[in-house]
Amino acid sequence: EDKVVQSPLSLVVHEGDTVTLNCSYEVTNFRSLLWYKQEKKAPTFLFMLTSSGIEKKSGRLSSILDKKELFSILNITATQTGDSAVYLCARNQGGKLIFGQGTELSVKP
Amino acid sequence: DTGVSQNPRHKITKRGQNVTFRCDPISEHNRLYWYRQTLGQGPEFLTYFQNEAQLEKSRLLSDRFSAERPKGSFSTLEIQRTEQGDSAMYLCASSPPTGWETQYFGPGTRLLVL
Repeated sequence: EDKVVQSPLSLVVHEGDTVTLNCSYEVTNFRSLLWYKQEKKAPTFLFMLTSSGIEKKSGRLSSILDKKELFSILNITATQTGDSAVYLCARNQGGKLIFGQGTELSVKP
Repeated sequence: DTGVSQNPRHKITKRGQNVTFRCDPISEHNRLYWYRQTLGQGPEFLTYFQNEAQLEKSRLLSDRFSAERPKGSFSTLEIQRTEQGDSAMYLCASSPPTGWETQYFGPGTRLLVL
């Protein structure tokens, strides 16, 4: 089954830094790509991207999808310790979500 | 709290025993999904329902696993003759009829098979 690959697998930054998390995939025909945040519990929804080149933004978080190059990025500006979590991306393939391995972000004070 | 709920939150069992987990989706959500997550990995799809109908099952779902959603509301996931490799977090998610692509996850049931 086509994979979703996230990079880096882990990242340690200091408060105030800006981070970019990457998500690449292989299939060209899918409905949407989603980002979730997971903090020792269930994943919580962040963004759903369906169109290439259109940025979604929520506070300090933003995300964009490039369907031509088959990747998405999640940006977090002015990071805070509360942003420490695993960030998961997933593509929606006919209803089921195919997840990447996740990027573990640690924000140090 | 009107989110997805799962019970129990934790389960410890001995190898060979049967276990059953329950998931209550968000009200009015007609789609319900089960995933399994092991340490350091993203969730892996197991199966999903639209109303009562089980529409897809993963190859990961061996014959020892069975899921039901008899009335189109809550769902149960049963694992028979548990093995140590079944130890994982079992996550349930639901999505509404409109905007079904966004899935909302419950807190999960953490299973430990000794």
